[in-house]
Amino acid sequence: QQQVKQSPQSLIVQKGGISIINCAYENTAFDYFPWYQQFPGKGPALLIAIRPDVSEKKEGRFTISFNKSAKQFSLHIMDSQPGDSATYFCAASKGGGSYIPTFGRGTSLIVHP
Amino acid sequence: DAGVIQSPRHEVTEMGQEVTLRCKPISGHDYLFWYRQTMMRGLELLIYFNNNVPIDDSGMPEDRFSAKMPNASFSTLKIQPSEPRDSAVYFCASSPGLMNTEAFFGQGTRLTVV
Repeated sequence: QQQVKQSPQSLIVQKGGISIINCAYENTAFDYFPWYQQFPGKGPALLIAIRPDVSEKKEGRFTISFNKSAKQFSLHIMDSQPGDSATYFCAASKGGGSYIPTFGRGTSLIVHP
Repeated sequence: DAGVIQSPRHEVTEMGQEVTLRCKPISGHDYLFWYRQTMMRGLELLIYFNNNVPIDDSGMPEDRFSAKMPNASFSTLKIQPSEPRDSAVYFCASSPGLMNTEAFFGQGTRLTVV
């Protein structure tokens, strides 16, 4: 059973455009929602994360929007750049002494120059 | 710190052979995770350790897979015997745990079983 559903599987955006990746979760015990960025040949690395007590978090061109009632969260990349081309994973985890991330299946983003 | 170190980076083996993947976590991190990445299934958690003790191995696909963490600085993931469907990228990650929520990933081992 997939606990975190991510869409789209792939995304092509023109330079300067907005990239939007969506995720939905089922387990209401999740209380931490990170996004990881993975470049080819590399391991995933934490990009930005949010907790459910806020509806939005912004870091530079990257913004997470969070809708607790709908159990959905999304990543927006403003002014997308070719260097943003990577695979993006949303994840969710719950506390209680440890945070073990459950990942979505990933979105391959290509930003054309 | 050099980050999480995995070896080898690439492994090609014949079906039926034993494969051992290695991982050195970041010093001081209490949690170690093994993930498998495939196009079909994305990133799957296979097993994780806390203070060298296996906590949850429910993601290990079959008895052919085993993992050990003999000390805080070393872990192995072994597949015996290997099968073509085991071909994937295997990642090791570590985390300080508790309230520190980031998992730090190694560069992965690309395994090809022919």
